[in-house]
Amino acid sequence: GESVGLHLPTLSVQEGDNSIINCAYSNSASDYFIWYKQESGKGPQFIIDIRSNMDKRQGQRVTVLLNKTVKHLSLQIAATQPGDSAVYFCAENPDTGFQKLVFGTGTRLLVSP
Amino acid sequence: DAMVIQNPRYQVTQFGKPVTLSCSQTLNHNVMYWYQQKSSQAPKLLFHYYDKDFNNEADTPDNFQSRRPNTSFCFLDIRSPGLGDAAMYLCATSRDRVYVNEQFFGPGTRLTVL
Repeated sequence: GESVGLHLPTLSVQEGDNSIINCAYSNSASDYFIWYKQESGKGPQFIIDIRSNMDKRQGQRVTVLLNKTVKHLSLQIAATQPGDSAVYFCAENPDTGFQKLVFGTGTRLLVSP
Repeated sequence: DAMVIQNPRYQVTQFGKPVTLSCSQTLNHNVMYWYQQKSSQAPKLLFHYYDKDFNNEADTPDNFQSRRPNTSFCFLDIRSPGLGDAAMYLCATSRDRVYVNEQFFGPGTRLTVL
């Protein structure tokens, strides 16, 4: 059968709270970053992306912050809802000359009503 | 709606019995990717096609092969599945290979090896 996976970091919040999910990336030359949401049994779904020439980008209820100095990326979700419960992955493009996403470990977000 | 479709959604095979997973896209994207995702882990890139140009990741086992007969379809062939190959297999597409933008993922095929 399938090998046992790693235990995912988990963030538990109450409905209506703001959530912050953090990600450390590895390659200082990475030029593009993206956040995906993955619900159980489904493929990753795009949330928001940011290029290395920016440090903040906002979407609907979501904000991505990029700190290149410390190689840190964060996803902020405002007014978190039960439907936001999922695993969230950050990914970086290491600037290899073509598009290649390298995914981070993932964080499980649990939202209780 | 334009999308990435994977068939079947669930596949059961026996140890050592070849299996093929299918992906199709209606986005008319140039690039198609195959990822392997094991339980509670991040997706790991196996290979990608830019048009008909095949690009293998250095650590992808020889047991995994791929075919892209046309723009819309891409197949993942596992020649002799082992128990360690049980995983979710994700297909993704992107418009371009050089200008980086989001990848669009299909729903995945969950492979069980008995």
